[in-house]
Amino acid sequence: ETGVTQTPRHLVMGMTNKKSLKCEQHLGHNAMYWYKQSAKKPLELMFVYNFKEQTENNSVPSRFSPECPNSSHLFLHLHTLQPEDSALYLCASSQEKIPGSGYTFGSGTRLTVV
Amino acid sequence: GENVEQHPSTLSVQEGDSAVIKCTYSDSASNYFPWYKQELGKRPQLIIDIRSNVGEKKDQRIAVTLNKTAKHFSLHITETQPEDSAVYFCAASVSYGGSQGNLIFGKGTKLSVKP
Repeated sequence: ETGVTQTPRHLVMGMTNKKSLKCEQHLGHNAMYWYKQSAKKPLELMFVYNFKEQTENNSVPSRFSPECPNSSHLFLHLHTLQPEDSALYLCASSQEKIPGSGYTFGSGTRLTVV
Repeated sequence: GENVEQHPSTLSVQEGDSAVIKCTYSDSASNYFPWYKQELGKRPQLIIDIRSNVGEKKDQRIAVTLNKTAKHFSLHITETQPEDSAVYFCAASVSYGGSQGNLIFGKGTKLSVKP
């Protein structure tokens, strides 16, 4: 692991279920991100948190609800998802105040909605 | 907002040949351009990056070039090896006031290096 840990690695859920994805970073970064990666699509930015404050919601449906209790933890709460929400969900972190510091990604959660 | 286009979507080369992946961006204010490599089933990892005050940067077999006027940047891999096989993503962002903007990614290029 490189310092950004995501759990679970795989998740299968029904459309009426409620589940949560967890991300934890041990790098001392102050910005965290959720990205969605679908087949044949670019990495789509979903949410951005800087210093625990949400600074961007990229027109994400309300069935995705992020939570950032502190600068080391980030959650993505899921409810009443659709099959098209099946994708790899990647968490990333960066040192927001250092331009060009790059992102460190977690291994992702492979989500399947049935 | 920023839009990043990446070509080709797939690239197949023989081991030892060179590979070139090209990206264009739309926001002339973008000034940071990283490249990520994602092996099958693994996380994207930063392999090289370049800022707009530099035209070219090299790291062993990998180089990145930037043409600010044309708003495009390219990844060059020389002497390719089978372990270079992966999906490569370019990205762009604006850094301002000491802060890094959000990365906007291209669609990715699947590189296959045949032994």
